[in-house]
Amino acid sequence: GAVVSQHPSRVICKSGTSVKIECRSLDFQATTMFWYRQFPKQSLMLMATSNEGSKATYEQGVEKDKFLINHASLTLSTLTVTSAHPEDSSFYICSAKGTPQETQYFGPGTRLLVL
Amino acid sequence: GNSVTQMEGPVTLSEEAFLTINCTYTATGYPSLFWYVQYPGEGLQLLLKATKADDKGSNKGFEATYRKETTSFHLEKGSVQVSDSAVYFCALSGPRNSNDYKLSFGAGTTVTVRA
Repeated sequence: GAVVSQHPSRVICKSGTSVKIECRSLDFQATTMFWYRQFPKQSLMLMATSNEGSKATYEQGVEKDKFLINHASLTLSTLTVTSAHPEDSSFYICSAKGTPQETQYFGPGTRLLVL
Repeated sequence: GNSVTQMEGPVTLSEEAFLTINCTYTATGYPSLFWYVQYPGEGLQLLLKATKADDKGSNKGFEATYRKETTSFHLEKGSVQVSDSAVYFCALSGPRNSNDYKLSFGAGTTVTVRA
């Protein structure tokens, strides 16, 4: 099946700094990428949907200035957590979908800890 | 809005036991239904799916039938193996061909199979 990678797999940062997480589709062109957040023992919550070359669509309650998403190419999307605070600590997961397939392929996730 | 409720875990079984994980959903119309599996240290993988009422998805010995009348999509496997130990997520998206690919996930059920 298709492979999606994320980098880094784990990051620890100080409060107030910004962190960038990369999501790459390794063997297919991802016209749409999705970013999810998962709290311990809870479900995945969709944060935003991004289509290559256009602005991301954010879910209700997600601050777009806080979570900057860029989908500049068909194989790469980035999520930048700006001015991170401890409450941003979470597991961030991306998924990617090509066209015309509807199946989303998931990355392994990035664990963010803000001190 | 759309939502998914699945059986809470953790579930611990012996090899060759029968596994059932209940999943019910709330949605308008006929959503597409999915089961994803997350093995330790890996990303989510699509296990099976069904896109219309009475469809049965199957893969790797797992089955789930789309029941519109009970709004359910229960996952079953007749004889589990140690390698089936993982977290299982039930999910739904918009109807097939609707261009609504956003996934709504259940909380996940951790399954441990003992030899």
